[in-house]
Amino acid sequence: GQQLNQSPQSMFIQEGEDVSMNCTSSSIFNTWLWYKQDPGEGPVLLIALYKAGELTSNGRLTAQFGITRKDSFLNISASIPSDVGIYFCAGPFTSGTYKYIFGTGTRLKVLA
Amino acid sequence: DAGVIQSPRHEVTEMGQEVTLRCKPISGHDYLFWYRQTMMRGLELLIYFNNNVPIDDSGMPEDRFSAKMPNASFSTLKIQPSEPRDSAVYFCASSWSSEQFFGPGTRLTVL
Repeated sequence: GQQLNQSPQSMFIQEGEDVSMNCTSSSIFNTWLWYKQDPGEGPVLLIALYKAGELTSNGRLTAQFGITRKDSFLNISASIPSDVGIYFCAGPFTSGTYKYIFGTGTRLKVLA
Repeated sequence: DAGVIQSPRHEVTEMGQEVTLRCKPISGHDYLFWYRQTMMRGLELLIYFNNNVPIDDSGMPEDRFSAKMPNASFSTLKIQPSEPRDSAVYFCASSWSSEQFFGPGTRLTVL
């Protein structure tokens, strides 16, 4: 079945460092969504991508829709302690629908 | 503007009891989704509605689970009878496009 693999699974970084994570699909997507989840809360939408090659920023966050349409990347620049959380990618399970599959998540821990 | 509202935030019940989780989507959103999140299986879509009509319930684990959306501003997810393996965090999300907005979740513990 369709899978979304996120890498890395977890990472510790120092405050101020840049962070990169990625998400790979077994099939082609026409939309990529990136979410962040804080402990005890629901996922919050960070960035939405709709075209292959698209590069979109939201503050210190930048996400890219991979050219192959099977991957996406999220970068966080100059990380701060509140960046701690789990980052999820998501894409449509079936093209043309809003039935989404979520990745396994990247758990980020920032050391002050 | 209020986001997605879920109640209760926490529910502890005993095996065999009926559990009802509630969701109020964001006003104007015509899609509503129910998800379950566990450590083992991550975030799974259970069912979603469009204009109050169930579109895909293939993620509902078994007949003990049912969901309804009687109007545009309210949905329920019911588990009857509940089992310990149903313990998880249940999220409701709503959207009018591909961008889904999640509620804070209901943490369900079945003893």
